[in-house]
Amino acid sequence: EVQLVESGGGLVQPGRSLRLSCAASGFTFDDYAMHWVRQAPGKGLEWVSGITWNSGNIDYADSVKGRFTISRDNAKNSLYLQMNSLRAEDTALYYCAKDIGAGSSSIWLAFDIWGQGTMVTVSS
Amino acid sequence: QSVLTQPPSVSGAPGQRVTISCTGSNSNIGAGYDVHWYQQLPGTAPKLLIYGNSNRPSGVPDRFSGSKSGTSASLAITGLQAEDEADYYCQSYDSSLSGSVFGGGTKLTVL
Repeated sequence: EVQLVESGGGLVQPGRSLRLSCAASGFTFDDYAMHWVRQAPGKGLEWVSGITWNSGNIDYADSVKGRFTISRDNAKNSLYLQMNSLRAEDTALYYCAKDIGAGSSSIWLAFDIWGQGTMVTVSS
Repeated sequence: QSVLTQPPSVSGAPGQRVTISCTGSNSNIGAGYDVHWYQQLPGTAPKLLIYGNSNRPSGVPDRFSGSKSGTSASLAITGLQAEDEADYYCQSYDSSLSGSVFGGGTKLTVL
């Protein structure tokens, strides 16, 4: 079964750090680009970051650039998001999503597999 | 404010046809980048509905169709059913932002 399972969310104080993980199974992980997408409570979807199959190209939304770092370990079929200097506006459900392509053309495509998300709450 | 603009809500009676628009600019849809559509049922993760402007993944009913022209795209749903009540999002790539962008989402209500 094709599956993405996120973990690592929780309640954290402003200014602190958190690391999210996404475990992939059921497909050849290192063939595809991967992404993080978030959704604040009651709000729409916001793309956060994407990484190509070989980590050769990485992009970030302006809202997280310089604070968040995406990475992947193809040997472990895992995707990560290191979140530093967290702010209240980072409070959201964070989804891990699989791209339908490898990202080789440096253009992100559609996201065909999504996890169930992990909730991050930034509050004092 | 989202880079891609969608109407906040649309509605229709069972059996009717509804369309949801997605308006972008020359750095995303107008630049030739594909548009993709997602359906998000309450309390669940988004599901890919249309990719590459008009392609349906396996398992998506042909009641759902997508099109693109110029700087805009549309999602059409025919034979509206109660189970179609959900939030719908368009997505594309933006070269100015060097990233993927979503529309603000459209809530579909089946009357």
